[in-house]
Amino acid sequence: QSVLTQPPSVSGAPGQRVTISCTGSSSNIGAVFNVHWYQQFPGTAPKLLIFANNNRPSGVPDRFSGSKSGTSASLAITGLQAEDEADYYCQSLDSSLSGWVFGGGTKLTVL
Amino acid sequence: QVQLVESGGGKVQPGTSLTLSCAVSGFTLSNNNLHWVRQAPGKGLEWVAVISDDGIDEYYTDSVRGRFTISRDNSTNTLYLHMSSLRAEDTALYYCARDVDDEGVFDVWGQGTTVTVSS
Repeated sequence: QSVLTQPPSVSGAPGQRVTISCTGSSSNIGAVFNVHWYQQFPGTAPKLLIFANNNRPSGVPDRFSGSKSGTSASLAITGLQAEDEADYYCQSLDSSLSGWVFGGGTKLTVL
Repeated sequence: QVQLVESGGGKVQPGTSLTLSCAVSGFTLSNNNLHWVRQAPGKGLEWVAVISDDGIDEYYTDSVRGRFTISRDNSTNTLYLHMSSLRAEDTALYYCARDVDDEGVFDVWGQGTTVTVSS
């Protein structure tokens, strides 16, 4: 049971927009801690996708965006492409656990 | 080129110890907090431990506190994770990761080293 809750899976057709939610609590996302997102392909290490809620590292397409409100955050992917098929994880700091926590991960399937 | 390379994984019996290493290159180790993150087979990411840039502060996830010790040697650009009293549930792929701003933004990851705890 992860501290941050994500849907196990989402799917969309090429060109569509999908969102992945990340629900936390007052000790993590709701406590003004930033949310970061990672993309992971099978057999590879995670890659930083979004940092500090809505910032993209250099090289990440602007099709990827993040937002945060209250105790939740979301990752949006527009213009869905086949190569976006991967697992996505949210991450934040948790004051009650004195450490970082990840969501359980969401598998994105491009139909 | 910024790079992290883990080593030291293997198959061990429950109750034994193992030390993982993470060799760092392409940046000055003393500038960043460093983390260990693990991923059990077929499961999600789990944060394990962090050590501050100066090596003074350490924090652990509850399930490993008292059994695992994170350390670093800035002179040799190496991060370590000493794991003792290993349990089957510690079986995972262990990644080291650089914290780019000391706020938990993991911008560089190693390729991981596999630890299997089984009798």
